[in-house]
Amino acid sequence: AQSVTQLGSHVSVSEGALVLLRCNYSSSVPPYLFWYVQYPNQGLQLLLKYTSAATLVKGINGFEAEFKKSETSFHLTKPSAHMSDAAEYFCAVSYSGGYQKVTFGTGTKLQVIP
Amino acid sequence: EAQVTQNPRYLITVTGKKLTVTCSQNMNHEYMSWYRQDPGLGLRQIYYSMNVEVTDKGDVPEGYKVSRKEKRNFPLILESPSPNQTSLYFCASSFQATGTGGYTFGSGTRLTVV
Repeated sequence: AQSVTQLGSHVSVSEGALVLLRCNYSSSVPPYLFWYVQYPNQGLQLLLKYTSAATLVKGINGFEAEFKKSETSFHLTKPSAHMSDAAEYFCAVSYSGGYQKVTFGTGTKLQVIP
Repeated sequence: EAQVTQNPRYLITVTGKKLTVTCSQNMNHEYMSWYRQDPGLGLRQIYYSMNVEVTDKGDVPEGYKVSRKEKRNFPLILESPSPNQTSLYFCASSFQATGTGGYTFGSGTRLTVV
């Protein structure tokens, strides 16, 4: 069965520092991978997705993620954190072929310290 | 504006009193789904629908019902709510059910059952 594991339920970074949010997936077939962001009192918004094209995926708001098959990872990064990046981030996995359920991780709350 | 609209945003009810949370999308999406979000558990799928009159159970369907009589609407029904259904609920839609495109989420409904 497919699954994703997000390491660290809470991550704190200083404003201007590198953001690194970790996601490892488990899938018996090539996966599709997603990162979503949830701002306070809002729904989830798609940040970026990997669907077997380029392994380095660029998303909105300066975020990017790299698919590493050998490490079964899809970590989310941003070179310089901004106060507005404070939110909860969810990694999700699916795979191709007909209807395929999307499985979400448990989320990582990002705190940005001024 | 393309969106998924949920109502109400907040709801407090008593145990056993039937309630309906509405969900409507204006993107002509085939696929719609309901999730509940609980701290430390991420998002768990309740029910999904691949098209009109086609619905199926997700991971946590007990205590919930859905219907899909029109493509745009996918209401979530709690016929006899209990306190363990206190949660944050999200409706999501996607153009296709293949898992590749990512979801559009509603803003959420925070339900409290006392």
